[in-house]
Amino acid sequence: DAGVIQSPRHEVTEMGQEVTLRCKPISGHDYLFWYRQTMMRGLELLIYFNNNVPIDDSGMPEDRFSAKMPNASFSTLKIQPSEPRDSAVYFCASSFIGGVTEAFFGQGTRLTVV
Amino acid sequence: SQQGEEDPQALSIQEGENATMNCSYKTSINNLQWYRQNSGRGLVHLILIRSNEREKHSGRLRVTLDTSKKSSSLLITASRAADTASYFCATDGGGATNKLIFGTGTLLAVQP
Repeated sequence: DAGVIQSPRHEVTEMGQEVTLRCKPISGHDYLFWYRQTMMRGLELLIYFNNNVPIDDSGMPEDRFSAKMPNASFSTLKIQPSEPRDSAVYFCASSFIGGVTEAFFGQGTRLTVV
Repeated sequence: SQQGEEDPQALSIQEGENATMNCSYKTSINNLQWYRQNSGRGLVHLILIRSNEREKHSGRLRVTLDTSKKSSSLLITASRAADTASYFCATDGGGATNKLIFGTGTLLAVQP
């Protein structure tokens, strides 16, 4: 398996635009996590899915953020409209059994909102 | 929200020395994990210790867990310049949540 794949690697967008980040988890993993990493806040858990179902989205900062997992091999994190304070590195990770097993991370998407 | 805090926030040592990082967390846990992050890269899993274990070894890594104090430590022995990275502890939040919550991290710099 190629590991967790995120796209794009870098995204620069203007304030107010819609941004969609994509993630392909490792085949066979039942859990998928979305994180945001900034210098100020560290690594924040935004939302996680189990078998494509969102389990806990309490970390999603605002209604401008939404995440979907239409099938076991694909997830999206959408920000609409984007704001400069959304600038961060967004990571996707997958694992077999949630937090009780090793999680595998993608390389991240560096988002810059100008 | 973050589950844990690492201490120290930054650590600078010479090659060959040992590096010790500490992690404190807030809730009960089923297990605790340590991850490493090289600059600009994703996190990589290092080691997992279950709540009923007190110590675990993997190569040059030694992890301890004290559930009564809600704390863990990561020891890297005989450090190398290639160990330079940020190190994070992560917990599952206890119960059946199965979430994975990270601490604030320790930035380790190993001078050659």
